[in-house]
Amino acid sequence: GESVGLHLPTLSVQEGDNSIINCAYSNSASDYFIWYKQESGKGPQFIIDIRSNMDKRQGQRVTVLLNKTVKHLSLQIAATQPGDSAVYFCAETTSGGSYIPTFGRGTSLIVHP
Amino acid sequence: DAGVIQSPRHEVTEMGQEVTLRCKPISGHDYLFWYRQTMMRGLELLIYFNNNVPIDDSGMPEDRFSAKMPNASFSTLKIQPSEPRDSAVYFCASAQTLGETGNTIYFGEGSWLTVV
Repeated sequence: GESVGLHLPTLSVQEGDNSIINCAYSNSASDYFIWYKQESGKGPQFIIDIRSNMDKRQGQRVTVLLNKTVKHLSLQIAATQPGDSAVYFCAETTSGGSYIPTFGRGTSLIVHP
Repeated sequence: DAGVIQSPRHEVTEMGQEVTLRCKPISGHDYLFWYRQTMMRGLELLIYFNNNVPIDDSGMPEDRFSAKMPNASFSTLKIQPSEPRDSAVYFCASAQTLGETGNTIYFGEGSWLTVV
């Protein structure tokens, strides 16, 4: 089957900087995307989602951008804080299918104080 | 709500022993999922249930793995006999709905299994 992947396995940033985590997907039929955050020793936690009829969605300090042309999405975290240190997963689902998300491998974000 | 509750949080067992992982989904959620997470393969879906009925178990690696959901508030994942390669974090998750109106999956804290 098609898969979701990430460009960078590890991203290190300084506290206060903006972070950008990238995700490439290969299934052109995918139309709903979710970002999850997994802190050490915990389960993944929903952050934000976006449907394919949108190209941008904003939350609290986070923004997800979707570029369907190149099958790419990104998670932007503004003013990154030490508490943002975690592994971030993108997941894709396809309407008309089972709607079960397929998870990427994850990117580890390390925030240095 | 307490969220998805899993037990045990940590288990160390010897190869060949039976392992039973337990899960209580969020009340009112119709979907329950079992995932396995390893460094090599990331998050893998093992099986999921809808209204207590197994819908897709194609991710269950072998016959040594089995999952049940006897009622809406309880599920088990059993490994018998366990092997060292089963060592992983096993997550239970639940969702109220899956579809165009929403499909947010809520994960438990995981059960960390080590088979020696």
